[in-house]
Amino acid sequence: GAVVSQHPSRVICKSGTSVKIECRSLDFQATTMFWYRQFPKQSLMLMATSNEGSKATYEQGVEKDKFLINHASLTLSTLTVTSAHPEDSSFYICSAQDRWGSFAFFGQGTRLTVV
Amino acid sequence: QQQVKQSPQSLIVQKGGISIINCAYENTAFDYFPWYQQFPGKGPALLIAIRPDVSEKKEGRFTISFNKSAKQFSLHIMDSQPGDSATYFCAASIEQAGTALIFGKGTTLSVSS
Repeated sequence: GAVVSQHPSRVICKSGTSVKIECRSLDFQATTMFWYRQFPKQSLMLMATSNEGSKATYEQGVEKDKFLINHASLTLSTLTVTSAHPEDSSFYICSAQDRWGSFAFFGQGTRLTVV
Repeated sequence: QQQVKQSPQSLIVQKGGISIINCAYENTAFDYFPWYQQFPGKGPALLIAIRPDVSEKKEGRFTISFNKSAKQFSLHIMDSQPGDSATYFCAASIEQAGTALIFGKGTTLSVSS
């Protein structure tokens, strides 16, 4: 089946630094990728939608200058958390959609801890 | 506005029993209703999904029941096993428009052996 690879699975960074999270579709072309954030024991909250070759669309309340999303190719999207702060510590998950609109493909998630 | 309401928040079922999780939605434009299973520290994995043209879909021990008029759908896990202990999320989207999934708040299922 289709696989979405997310890297890294865990990252610890110092406050004020930036962290990049990669999301790759391994065997299909992802025309759209979604980035979610999940706090402990809570649901997935959509942060942004990115379409290949165009600017990401951010949900209300999500700072686009803080969470930079790049979707430069049909197989790779990146989320960069800039000037990270402890409150950015969370579980970030990407989801990739193929041209047929299947939502079955989620990455393994990235646990970000900002110290 | 919570577009997808999920209940119960937590559920304890004995091994071999039936686990039932319910979801209700508000947007009648939704046309895709998946259920996801998530283990701690992992991304969600698709269990089963249904579209409004059918009222029930079964895959192994998992069944989705869908009631379009009531705008409700539910997940039934038959013969529940300890390995089914996880968090389950219902979701909905407008598939034709390629919109993102809107998730319910999740149900933590514990199956006792």
